[in-house]
Amino acid sequence: KAGVTQTPRYLIKTRGQQVTLSCSPISGHRSVSWYQQTPGQGLQFLFEYFSETQRNKGNFPGRFSGRQFSNSRSEMNVSTLELGDSALYLCASSFRLAGYNEQFFGPGTRLTVL
Amino acid sequence: QQQVKQSPQSLIVQKGGISIINCAYENTAFDYFPWYQQFPGKGPALLIAIRPDVSEKKEGRFTISFNKSAKQFSLHIMDSQPGDSATYFCAANGGSQGNLIFGKGTKLSVKP
Repeated sequence: KAGVTQTPRYLIKTRGQQVTLSCSPISGHRSVSWYQQTPGQGLQFLFEYFSETQRNKGNFPGRFSGRQFSNSRSEMNVSTLELGDSALYLCASSFRLAGYNEQFFGPGTRLTVL
Repeated sequence: QQQVKQSPQSLIVQKGGISIINCAYENTAFDYFPWYQQFPGKGPALLIAIRPDVSEKKEGRFTISFNKSAKQFSLHIMDSQPGDSATYFCAANGGSQGNLIFGKGTKLSVKP
């Protein structure tokens, strides 16, 4: 089985721009979760989608949004980028809701905001 | 508010030694405690997980010890190898949380 894929792998944007990141889960997985990873804060949960519905949301501003398509692929959008949004954005998929089930992580998208 | 505290931040161990990473949690509703391992350039991968109905779980060289009364759990890596050099994250889930709460990670270096 192919693993979780994320595109693009690297991205450079400037403050005020917006960005869209993409995640393709493992085939058959219906849950997709997004995390932000930074050296200072570690791994922080953004949101989880299951069957096209947002099931859970972390403590991030409304500039961070996401969606999931009928094929379980997911996109994450960040609007009005700030310097502090520079981070590794990780996507993870699981067969059922993520809480008690193993999550399989992708390699991440490294976002740099200048 | 950090609900899972992990220590140490970094750890250097000689090959063949025992690596020990500790985590403490606050929310008594947590009932699932996984450990993830992350190599540079890769996403985290599940290493081992435990539920609070057992005090210890062992898989190969990796053991989780769980102390429910102290709200602490730890990862022990026996016979540590250079290939174990990675960042390790503890996490917790349960109660009103539908998602994993991660510790801030421990960077382990195993010297040959």
